[in-house]
Amino acid sequence: AQSVTQLGSHVSVSEGALVLLRCNYSSSVPPYLFWYVQYPNQGLQLLLKYTTGATLVKGINGFEAEFKKSETSFHLTKPSAHMSDAAEYFCAVSLFSNSGYALNFGKGTSLLVTP
Amino acid sequence: EAGVAQSPRYKIIEKRQSVAFWCNPISGHATLYWYQQILGQGPKLLIQFQNNGVVDDSQLPKDRFSAERLKGVDSTLKIQPAKLEDSAVYLCASSSDPGSYNEQFFGPGTRLTVL
Repeated sequence: AQSVTQLGSHVSVSEGALVLLRCNYSSSVPPYLFWYVQYPNQGLQLLLKYTTGATLVKGINGFEAEFKKSETSFHLTKPSAHMSDAAEYFCAVSLFSNSGYALNFGKGTSLLVTP
Repeated sequence: EAGVAQSPRYKIIEKRQSVAFWCNPISGHATLYWYQQILGQGPKLLIQFQNNGVVDDSQLPKDRFSAERLKGVDSTLKIQPAKLEDSAVYLCASSSDPGSYNEQFFGPGTRLTVL
């Protein structure tokens, strides 16, 4: 079954520093991968997704992720952290269920940005 | 475009009581999902509707949870009777179709506390 593992439940970076949030997947078939962000007391918002084609995917708010099949990874990066990036980030894989597709989420990584 | 609406935003009940949550998806979205997000974990799919039919409820605890989507639009999720371990955020999401990489749009969630 397809699943994702997020390494590090909490990540702290300084404002302006590189953001790196790690996600590894397990899948017997080519996966569809997603990163979602959740701000306090809000629902999840799609940052970016990988389906097919280019392995470097650009998303909203300056985030990007690279699909690396050899490493079974889909790490999320941003060159320069902003205070507004503080949130919970979830990696997810599209999971084929009985009658369609659903998302299988990782446990999440909480990003703290310090001044 | 209006987003996914959910109510109530917060609910506190005692164990063995019943509770219901309501979700109104984005207009025209045929697929509706209910997720349970326990503190410190990623969302877990409870049930998926395609129009007004259930396509996946394999992870729904059917002895106490029920859900319906009358007329293929809004949906209600009910818990009866509630247990302490049901304390979580219940997220509703919708998408225009259940394809493997179709974006899901999430509502703000209902935070349930069972005492």
